[in-house]
Amino acid sequence: KQEVTQIPAALSVPEGENLVLNCSFTDSAIYNLQWFRQDPGKGLTSLLLIQSSQREQTSGRLNASLDKSSGRSTLYIAASQPGDSATYLCAVSTDRGSTLGRLYFGRGTQLTVWP
Amino acid sequence: DVKVTQSSRYLVKRTGEKVFLECVQDMDHENMFWYRQDPGLGLRLIYFSYDVKMKEKGDIPEGYSVSREKKERFSLILESASTNQTSMYLCASSLEGQGSTEAFFGQGTRLTVV
Repeated sequence: KQEVTQIPAALSVPEGENLVLNCSFTDSAIYNLQWFRQDPGKGLTSLLLIQSSQREQTSGRLNASLDKSSGRSTLYIAASQPGDSATYLCAVSTDRGSTLGRLYFGRGTQLTVWP
Repeated sequence: DVKVTQSSRYLVKRTGEKVFLECVQDMDHENMFWYRQDPGLGLRLIYFSYDVKMKEKGDIPEGYSVSREKKERFSLILESASTNQTSMYLCASSLEGQGSTEAFFGQGTRLTVV
């Protein structure tokens, strides 16, 4: 069964720092990897989607990389702002049989950016 | 703008009640999912559906059932609500296509069973 781990579980930094959030997964047979943001009490907002054939994706101050063979992804946040404070979740989409398309989630990194 | 809409943000129900959580998507997606999210446990898959009238059990289906009579709507049913089903429930959808497409989530339903 696919297992997804996110490190660190929590991170607290001053505004302006560049950040790296880590995600690892045990089964490299994935179709894609997705990074989400979740604000307290809210649903998930998709940030970046990386297909298994891709190495990275960028959106504004966010950059996500994928090393499928080693089962790792990183989310890089440049010049962090207090508005970036949220929980960041990593999820992989499996390609195995009847579970095609389902997502396996990590437990998230809770980020606090203080002014 | 793509949208997944859950019928309620907050619900309070009594133990033993039959509870319906509704989810509607406007993107013509084949895949729809129900997750629950609990502190310390993360997101866990309850049920998913690849097509109308089709359903598959996820990791924690006990105490739940689902219905998908129309492509855009996926309902989660708690047959007899219990206090251990107090949780945040999240619905998601994605296109068919070997899992290669982006998943979109609703805003979540916070269910409290008293």
